[in-house]
Amino acid sequence: NAGVTQTPKFRVLKTGQSMTLLCAQDMNHEYMYWYRQDPGMGLRLIHYSVGEGTTAKGEVPDGYNVSRLKKQNFLLGLESAAPSQTSVYFCASSYPQWGMRITGELFFGEGSRLTVL
Amino acid sequence: GNSVTQMEGPVTLSEEAFLTINCTYTATGYPSLFWYVQYPGEGLQLLLKATKADDKGSNKGFEATYRKETTSFHLEKGSVQVSDSAVYFCALSDQSNTGNQFYFGTGTSLTVIP
Repeated sequence: NAGVTQTPKFRVLKTGQSMTLLCAQDMNHEYMYWYRQDPGMGLRLIHYSVGEGTTAKGEVPDGYNVSRLKKQNFLLGLESAAPSQTSVYFCASSYPQWGMRITGELFFGEGSRLTVL
Repeated sequence: GNSVTQMEGPVTLSEEAFLTINCTYTATGYPSLFWYVQYPGEGLQLLLKATKADDKGSNKGFEATYRKETTSFHLEKGSVQVSDSAVYFCALSDQSNTGNQFYFGTGTSLTVIP
């Protein structure tokens, strides 16, 4: 029972390099999210998606791009990494409950620790 | 807008002590409320939730009651164990047309000593 899987789990980049974080979920969830976690700041939403082919900006989207070409995958890209993007990144997924108040919980991956030198 | 404020840590308790972690929220609609727990080196996992006013969520000895009149969702446990050492996050879910958005507090680190 994989749930939400993130790759890679660790990565070190130099300033200006690019990379992509991959998130895959096997629960057929409609909604997917990318968060970053920094000390003293909790989790902040970067981008999210409410379905295949859709994406939307969250609280801190600058410097990141995302794509949701397949329902089960949500990619987070850094085109030109900066030291301020050193963080732990979490992917999550959830489900709507049509016709009811939305109460679907978030399911998280184990996180990807990114260091930008 | 929506936001969550939770008590800052770190919190250090002796085993079998009583735990309270305060959480208050601001919401424009009728949110669902959650407590998530993060153990060292892991992702967040749901601890408990409540979907409407006066609901009580409970799990693993932890409890929290959705108080609309005080806009609070405080986490309590009567007797903590060393294995409860973790970071606890309060969160709310907004029933929004743009998606099931979640808003998190900054987290409270709990250390339980034998």
